[in-house]
This record gives sequence, C-alpha cells and structure tokens, in this order.
Amino acid sequence: QKEVEQNSGPLSVPEGAIASLNCTYSDRGSQSFFWYRQYSGKSPELIMSIYSNGDKEDGRFTAQLNKASQYVSLLIRDSQPSDSATYLCAVKRNTGKLIFGQGTTLQVKP
Amino acid sequence: GAGVSQSPSNKVTEKGKDVELRCDPISGHTALYWYRQSLGQGLEFLIYFQGNSAPDKSGLPSDRFSAERTGGSVSTLTIQRTQQEDSAVYLCASSLWGQGVTDTQYFGPGTRLTVL
Repeated sequence: QKEVEQNSGPLSVPEGAIASLNCTYSDRGSQSFFWYRQYSGKSPELIMSIYSNGDKEDGRFTAQLNKASQYVSLLIRDSQPSDSATYLCAVKRNTGKLIFGQGTTLQVKP
Repeated sequence: GAGVSQSPSNKVTEKGKDVELRCDPISGHTALYWYRQSLGQGLEFLIYFQGNSAPDKSGLPSDRFSAERTGGSVSTLTIQRTQQEDSAVYLCASSLWGQGVTDTQYFGPGTRLTVL
C-alpha cells in the first residue's frame, strides 16, 4: 500500500460543475495535509492546506479532512477550463518532509 | 527574492558526466528540500536541510547523489557519473521552519535534466 494514494484519473467534468478530488493516507499520525496544483511543464503550486478535521474554504476551493478515515479531499466549485491540471495531495511527516500521491489529472471541458 | 529560484532551468549532459544543480530558497526560510519528478510520476523526496541540523539524506537513490547547503541559504545538488535514469525534473522547495503543523513548502520552477 502506498503511503498516499490518489486516483490518477483523468477526471473529466463540464465547465461550471463541481470537481471532487480524493486522497487517502496510511500514517495515522500525520498532522498536515496539502493540495498542490501542477500545470503541465510547471512546478507544484500550493492551493490549500488543512490541519483540523472538517472543511476549510478558500474561494472556489474547499478542502475536507477526516482523520478517523484517513481521508482528505478537495472540491472545486464552478470548475473552469483553467483549472485543468494535475492535483497533488501531500502529507507531511513529523520529520518535515512531504510524501506525495501520484496526482489526479483534472480536465474541465468547456 | 520573491520565490524559490533554481538554475539552470534546463541541463543536457552526456552519460557519465557530473552535474550541479543550484537552489536559492525564499529569504528567511530555514528549511530546504530537494525532490525529483520523473516523466509522468509523482514527486520523490531526495534530501532535506533544516537550519544547522544534519540533513535528512534518506531519499537519495545512490551514492552518486549528494547535496550541500552553504551558509544556511543556497543549496547545490550534485549528481556524479550521470546515468540515463537520472533524467527528470529536479525540484527544490523551502519553508520557514521545517517542522511544525502549519509549516508550508513552496516550490521553485525546477531544473529539467536530460542525460543522453
């Protein structure tokens, strides 16, 4: 079992729809969780961070964390073609280093 | 500077040559990380520097890889006797403290290494 798992996709949604991206992790002691967006040929860009159970909203983005289920998700409301990218889930170990999932490719179709 | 910078942006080398990749972290950040991303793959942790502590080298794939951080700022990743499987994008990130729940890593633009 990989330490951080994501469905590689592609996840295809129509413009204006809600995109739901999911991630599970195996280290129950993890405290910090991050979503990065990576456009093709570019480096990862931080979208959201979440540390406590529940929801955290920032504009069109909502991160959800459920530590009991070891599950973190990212919702993108009113999806736009410019949201088309690979979304990387990252979990931080106590040592400080990030463990990344393989990423989910999102395609938003006009 | 405003963000993490890396140089060169692209590096093409011949198998067996040594290469050096440079990273300049965000000013004031005490922690610096190197990751590798092969084509179509996720990010693979290589090495982590935090302040004056001994670096975490647990992700370095072989003894051909080494890194140093001078003066607590700029870091250089060196790959000796490069092999074709070393071809990848090498990403550097920095963060304020390294540890702590809210500490966040910010990435540089990466160096694309191609070994012929």
